[in-house]
Amino acid sequence: EDKVVQSPLSLVVHEGDTVTLNCSYEVTNFRSLLWYKQEKKAPTFLFMLTSSGIEKKSGRLSSILDKKELFSILNITATQTGDSAVYLCAVNSGNTPLVFGKGTRLSVIA
Amino acid sequence: EPEVTQTPSHQVTQMGQEVILRCVPISNHLYFYWYRQILGQKVEFLVSFYNNEISEKSEIFDDQFSVERPDGSNFTLKIRSTKLEDSAMYFCASKRLAIPLDTQYFGPGTRLTVL
Repeated sequence: EDKVVQSPLSLVVHEGDTVTLNCSYEVTNFRSLLWYKQEKKAPTFLFMLTSSGIEKKSGRLSSILDKKELFSILNITATQTGDSAVYLCAVNSGNTPLVFGKGTRLSVIA
Repeated sequence: EPEVTQTPSHQVTQMGQEVILRCVPISNHLYFYWYRQILGQKVEFLVSFYNNEISEKSEIFDDQFSVERPDGSNFTLKIRSTKLEDSAMYFCASKRLAIPLDTQYFGPGTRLTVL
């Protein structure tokens, strides 16, 4: 059975801190790993990773995939209160549905 | 920027009633999905739909559930006889291409409360 495990489940940091969120996976027929940010409602797409070792970057967020060790990390530098959200990791095994982890709840306090 | 829309944003219903959740996927997208998220739990896949038929469904998607694309824009999820445990956020998602690497985009969700 395909599995995606995220850690930590929750995290509280102060503004300005840097955080690293982890996602490990066990899936057959891996195609891509996706990170989403979920604030109040819908998951909002952040990154899609398909190749090992290539960092994807968007502003203060970055992510990298290790297909040998089967994990990905999402880094957020200089955190702001607006970064508070649940960060979801999901794995795509082809045209089968996304398999989600439970998410990491990040709280950034001023 | 085009986005997936869902209506209603919140639906309250009595146990045993039928509900229809509506989604309008992004217009040139071909694959459509329903997911649900019970409060405090992870997002779970329900069903995928392509070329006017179900392409895959999970064990959650039993005979009480059905999906339809009644016209060129709407994609609906019907629950025939709601149960208390159907209370959840229901997300619709769509993706443009019938290739594995294309990204799914999610709608804002419908919160279903079954009393």
